[in-house]
Amino acid sequence: GAGVSQSPRYKVAKRGQDVALRCDPISGHVSLFWYQQALGQGPEFLTYFQNEAQLDKSGLPSDRFFAERPEGSVSTLKIQRTQQEDSAVYLCASSEPGLGGGETQYFGPGTRLLVL
Amino acid sequence: AQSVTQLGSHVSVSEGALVLLRCNYSSSVPPYLFWYVQYPNQGLQLLLKYTSAATLVKGINGFEAEFKKSETSFHLTKPSAHMSDAAEYFCAVKEAGNLLTFGGGTRLMVKP
Repeated sequence: GAGVSQSPRYKVAKRGQDVALRCDPISGHVSLFWYQQALGQGPEFLTYFQNEAQLDKSGLPSDRFFAERPEGSVSTLKIQRTQQEDSAVYLCASSEPGLGGGETQYFGPGTRLLVL
Repeated sequence: AQSVTQLGSHVSVSEGALVLLRCNYSSSVPPYLFWYVQYPNQGLQLLLKYTSAATLVKGINGFEAEFKKSETSFHLTKPSAHMSDAAEYFCAVKEAGNLLTFGGGTRLMVKP
């Protein structure tokens, strides 16, 4: 079946521009996650949704970062007034509902953002 | 706070040789542990996961990992490397809550 999809795959922005990154999770997956992966590093958690509720946004680096999932499916990560340090790959992941904690997170291909 | 350490940012092996990628974690409670692989310009693909069942976990593509609580380790192994195994490998831990904490990654290079 279809996996997690993200768009655009590549985005070049001028410093100060706003950008919006889209994530389509696997159908039926309740949980959705955003991670930021800087060059040569492991992904770092940004934020987490369960359905439309944003349950954890502790990883968002500044108030320029905003995420939403209004209908509990597609999610958008918005970065306002982009800075060069925002250049990274932004990964989206989704997982099925579960109580055990061992649920697998399935990742999309990522959006590579370059801020000039 | 939990953390993950992957010893060796780059590992090079010859085709057919043993692959050993190291992962140590810090956690105050029994964790869930994961190994993911990332090919260039692609997302992360799950290789295997430990969820408190058997301590020796078998994954895809011939990889396996052993959870050793006393050593707080979850090293990834494969008996015989193949050229197609060349990629970046990430170890991750999940405690209470749902977010994954990743290590810095190990780039595996396979020499012919």
